[in-house]
Amino acid sequence: EIVLTQSPATLSLSPGERATLSCRASQSVSTYLAWYQQKPGQAPRLLIYDASNRATGIPARFSGSGSGTDFTLTISSLEPEDFAVYYCQQRSNWPPFTFGQGTRLEIK
Amino acid sequence: QVQLQVSGPGLVKPSETLSLTCTVSGGSISSGGYYWGWIRQPPGKGLEWIGTIYYNGNTYYDPSLKSRVTISVDKSKNQFSLKLNSVTAADTAVYYCARRYPGTYFDSWGQGTLVTVSS
Repeated sequence: EIVLTQSPATLSLSPGERATLSCRASQSVSTYLAWYQQKPGQAPRLLIYDASNRATGIPARFSGSGSGTDFTLTISSLEPEDFAVYYCQQRSNWPPFTFGQGTRLEIK
Repeated sequence: QVQLQVSGPGLVKPSETLSLTCTVSGGSISSGGYYWGWIRQPPGKGLEWIGTIYYNGNTYYDPSLKSRVTISVDKSKNQFSLKLNSVTAADTAVYYCARRYPGTYFDSWGQGTLVTVSS
């Protein structure tokens, strides 16, 4: 099973600042990694697929990068609606699909 | 635009079977070649994949749950279902159903339902 480790656990930033979230895989997943955003009481929403591709309707301030074992989600300039929990997920080697434990992005 | 709706009991007793149904609207569950799956989230914790059924009936389960899980499809009702037997408090979670196209990720999710395991 591929383990995904996200860091930091919590990130405190202000609107307008740049956010950088990390996801590290226990073995290479090539570029088969996605990022999801989850707001309280809501289902996760797909943001980025295959490491660097924005899903339909996702604003350009969200970008993803990385390959192999190290991945980054960047939000270039935080909007108030971006404060949420973010999860990475791999599809390189399944079953099982695995998720990271999440990074909480909170308002400073 | 496909929509997924989870339904089922919100309270299950320990050692009993958790049963949930996901109703798909806006598209046929038996066409399009999609995978249909279940993911859960214990309170305050992260996401856990439970299992998936392909439109042709093939199933795939998380190894840690495989002995207790069954996912099935009812094409006539455009639904797929989850059964998890011998539940304990550790199975208390919000349960989501979701869709995935082969080679992609979970792009459509149901709203989720909280299932509490308690006597």
